Amino acid sequence: AQRVTQPEKLLSVFKGAPVELKCNYSYSGSPELFWYVQYSRQRLQLLLRHISRESIKGFTADLNKGETSFHLKKPFAQEEDSAMYYCALRSGGSNYKLTFGKGTLLTVNP
Amino acid sequence: DSGVTQTPKHLITATGQRVTLRCSPRSGDLSVYWYQQSLDQGLQFLIQYYNGEERAKGNILERFSAQQFPDLHSELNLSSLELGDSALYFCASSLEPGTIYGYTFGSGTRLTVV
Repeated sequence: AQRVTQPEKLLSVFKGAPVELKCNYSYSGSPELFWYVQYSRQRLQLLLRHISRESIKGFTADLNKGETSFHLKKPFAQEEDSAMYYCALRSGGSNYKLTFGKGTLLTVNP
Repeated sequence: DSGVTQTPKHLITATGQRVTLRCSPRSGDLSVYWYQQSLDQGLQFLIQYYNGEERAKGNILERFSAQQFPDLHSELNLSSLELGDSALYFCASSLEPGTIYGYTFGSGTRLTVV
């Protein structure tokens, strides 16, 4: 069974500080990992896909298959980064659903 | 606007009642996914349809059912509602099942059962 774990429910940092939101997954095959962000009272939005190795809004995430992790990082947090962040995994094959972690609420203080 | 439309935005109903939530996917998307978001459980996958057919089922209660119509819009029916069903229900869509490009989410329907 696939599982996504985000160990931190809440994460608070100061503006300009580095931030890392942790995500660990459990899946025996080749996973596809995503990060979604949900700003206050807004819909979930796709932030990153591991396959594209992109940097969005200064965020990056690297898939570490050895540690089964996909941590989200940003070197200098901004107040507008305050939001709920969800890590999600899609398994391959015929299982199409995205499995989400329970989310981490990031608060960036001025 | 992301293109995924959910109605109604808010719904307040009494226990034991039945409600229908509606989702119109982004134009061209064939897959529709339903998720339930609650404070304690986070985002829980309920069910997925692709081009009218059920493709995957998650933690969906027997009191809940869904379908996708020929015009690709989807409805989630919740019956015999309980207080614990109060949650935000999200619909998402994608062009293909399990697209590597992720899903486009709607803004959700907030259901309150009193």
